[in-house]
Amino acid sequence: DGGITQSPKYLFRKEGQNVTLSCEQNLNHDAMYWYRQDPGQGLRLIYYSQIVNDFQKGDIAEGYSVSREKKESFPLTVTSAQKNPTAFYLCASSIEAGIAYEQYFGPGTRLTVT
Amino acid sequence: AQKITQTQPGMFVQEKEAVTLDCTYDTSDQSYGLFWYKQPSSGEMIFLIYQGSYDEQNATEGRYSLNFQKARKSANLVISASQLGDSAMYFCAMSLAPYNQGGKLIFGQGTELSVKP
Repeated sequence: DGGITQSPKYLFRKEGQNVTLSCEQNLNHDAMYWYRQDPGQGLRLIYYSQIVNDFQKGDIAEGYSVSREKKESFPLTVTSAQKNPTAFYLCASSIEAGIAYEQYFGPGTRLTVT
Repeated sequence: AQKITQTQPGMFVQEKEAVTLDCTYDTSDQSYGLFWYKQPSSGEMIFLIYQGSYDEQNATEGRYSLNFQKARKSANLVISASQLGDSAMYFCAMSLAPYNQGGKLIFGQGTELSVKP
């Protein structure tokens, strides 16, 4: 089955620790995205990558970092510099980066930082 | 400013009836895409329907149709014959054309739809 996997589903961390969220896709998609969702809100773009070894900041990149060393993988690191990291994080991919291509989403990771 | 507005925080509909979820958008770009996604309580985002800014016909996908009124900048989702499984959050989103935007999606705040038996 083709799709996007995110692990873990729930993640708990202490304040001041960095944490890395996994995102893997086997859809052979070029573009990948990370979004953040807060309770009762829509999604906001953190980072995106149009192709391997390239990525761009989204609207709320501060306190986050990413890498895209392989086409299938786009991990997100939430650093201690992110002031309010508790949120639901969703990874997505699309065939290409463009306005006409729907994005397929993973099941998400709920991060709680205390 | 590029923005999506969904003015209905919550909606109720009787099973088997049709329902319209409102979405208005704001952009000065001529080329853009409009999407609707469904988010059940599990959290995963499910793609429902797409409309391109140059498409003259309204998009349809099974029980979903998109009522696209370009001059009014609205892209309302119509769900016909509602089912209990349609109860979820629904998000309208817009993608933009500039190369450096990478096809990113701008989301509205969402509408929570509850289908009553």
